[in-house]
This record gives sequence, structure tokens and C-alpha cells, in this order.
Amino acid sequence: EDQVTQSPEALRLQEGESSSLNCSYTVSGLRGLFWYRQDPGKGPEFLFTLYSAGEEKEKERLKATLTKKESFLHITAPKPEDSATYLCAVQGGGFQKLVFGTGTRLLVSP
Amino acid sequence: DVKVTQSSRYLVKRTGEKVFLECVQDMDHENMFWYRQDPGLGLRLIYFSYDVKMKEKGDIPEGYSVSREKKERFSLILESASTNQTSMYLCATSTPNSPLHFGNGTRLTVT
Repeated sequence: EDQVTQSPEALRLQEGESSSLNCSYTVSGLRGLFWYRQDPGKGPEFLFTLYSAGEEKEKERLKATLTKKESFLHITAPKPEDSATYLCAVQGGGFQKLVFGTGTRLLVSP
Repeated sequence: DVKVTQSSRYLVKRTGEKVFLECVQDMDHENMFWYRQDPGLGLRLIYFSYDVKMKEKGDIPEGYSVSREKKERFSLILESASTNQTSMYLCATSTPNSPLHFGNGTRLTVT
């Protein structure tokens, strides 16, 4: 059974204080690992897809990396507007059936 | 940009009522999905559809059904609402080679 575990559950940072979010996964035949951002009262917003170990993707202050067992979302010099819940999901062999983690709630204080 | 519109942001229904949640997309995507999101449990897949009139059960289909009569519209039906179906319901769409795009959700409360 595919599983995704995200840590920490919540993270509080000062503006400019870089950190990383972790997504550990077990999946039979990884077809993709996805990162989403979710603001309160809104649906998840797509950030990245990673397909194979060693792959990295960047967008503004965010950088996602992938190994065979986990993915990291690195946040460099975060700003208050980066505050959100970050969700990780994996797609195994099934038809676009994503398995989601429970997310990391990030709060960036000015 | 993909637009996925869910008909209601908030909905309050009574136990035993039949409830319809509607989702409409404007990008001609083949695939549509219904998830529910609960604290501590994350997003869980209820049903999905890869074509008009086609539907497949997800991980937690019990107590739900779906309808897809037109490509752009995917409805989730709670045949007889119960309090344990109080949740945030999220619709998503995709093509075979694109990530899922989500609507803003319907927060359903069953009293």
C-alpha cells in the first residue's frame, strides 16, 4: 500500500530563516511525486512534479528535491506570504490515483 | 489557466437528506476526481471519472455516488447524508499528462 508521511506537522519560521519540509514515501513503482500549496479555505495549488531520484525543481524561494525514499521542499529566505500548508502526494502504478500526506503547516512571521 | 468551479463554498444539510455537490471545469480535461479532506487524515479519493458516463471507485466510496453526463461536469451525490460526512470536499481535474488542478472546495456540514 502506498504511503506518504510529512514532517514536521507544523513549522514556525522568522522571515528570512531558511528551512526544509520532509516527505517520506513508500510506493510500488513511483510515477510521480507532487508538491502542492494550500491556503486556508482554498483548494491545493500545484507547485512541482518530480519523477526520478536526483531530480530537482525550483520556483522562486522554493526548491524540491527527490531521493528514492523521500522528497524535501527547501524554502530559502521565506516571506510571510509563503505561509500555507504544503502537501506532498505520490502516484504509483494506478491511474492518476494520488496518495496524499497530511501536510506541513508553515507560518512565517515578519 | 484551468478553472475548476464548485457550486457552493459552504453547505449545511440535515441527516438523511440527499445532497448534490457540483463541479464544473472549463478546460476540456478528460479526468475528474472527488476528494474529501479531513484534519489528520489528509485528502482521500472518493470517486473518479476518466470519460463521460464512466466512473471508478476510489478509496472511500461508501455512502457516495457520482454522475458524469457531460465532460465538463462531475457531480458527487450523498444518498442519505450522515454526520460523519461532514468534511471539506474537493473536486479536481487533469489530463493524462498533467497534474491535478483543484477547485476551492465545498465545506459541508451535516447536522
